[in-house]
Amino acid sequence: DVVLTQTPPTLSATIGQSVSISCRSSQSLLHSNGNTYLNWLLQRPGQPPQLLIYLVSRLESGVPNRFSGSGSGTDFTLKISGVEAEDLGVYYCVQSTHAPLTFGSGTKLEIK
Amino acid sequence: QIQLVQSGPELKKPGESVKISCKASGYTFTDYAMHWVKQAPGKGLKWMGWINTYTGKPTYADDFKGRFVFSLEASASTANLQISNLKNEDTATYFCARRHYYSGSFDYWGQGVMVTVSS
Repeated sequence: DVVLTQTPPTLSATIGQSVSISCRSSQSLLHSNGNTYLNWLLQRPGQPPQLLIYLVSRLESGVPNRFSGSGSGTDFTLKISGVEAEDLGVYYCVQSTHAPLTFGSGTKLEIK
Repeated sequence: QIQLVQSGPELKKPGESVKISCKASGYTFTDYAMHWVKQAPGKGLKWMGWINTYTGKPTYADDFKGRFVFSLEASASTANLQISNLKNEDTATYFCARRHYYSGSFDYWGQGVMVTVSS
């Protein structure tokens, strides 16, 4: 199974600070069809996850553009350019290139 | 608008069964796969498997083979998860989530169903 290693496990940021979360895969997430099926999700406390980014870098409709995704192969990054209070929660990367689908262990973002 | 609305919380005893529903609305049900995700209390997300909403074929992750059944009521745009012979470790919140067949985006999630297994 593909292992997704997220770092850091926790992140403490002030409002307006820019932060990055890393997601490293144990094998390449490039599919034979040329797509890389890597999503970023945010789960706010007591809520279901919500989609932020899909196909590594495509911003989901309605998601603020302070969120951006980058990377290729085995290394991926989610960046938040100017954290806002509503961004607190747990961020997960998830891959669906390889079966079984796997999630990262999560990065908890706290607001100072 | 697009919604995935799941059934309500469940309290069960070990050995019993439970059936959770996920009713989709606002889109063509068969255009998206339906996935199931488990979240134990205070833990991360774990993929359980998915069902092809066009063919009805289910696929289960290894840890969810045997006691878990995915099914459809396609005419009602509803996906179901049934868990039999419940164990304490099945206590968790269960989410349905639709995934676009081509882009791979998990763009809509149900609100989750808390299942508590306790004697």
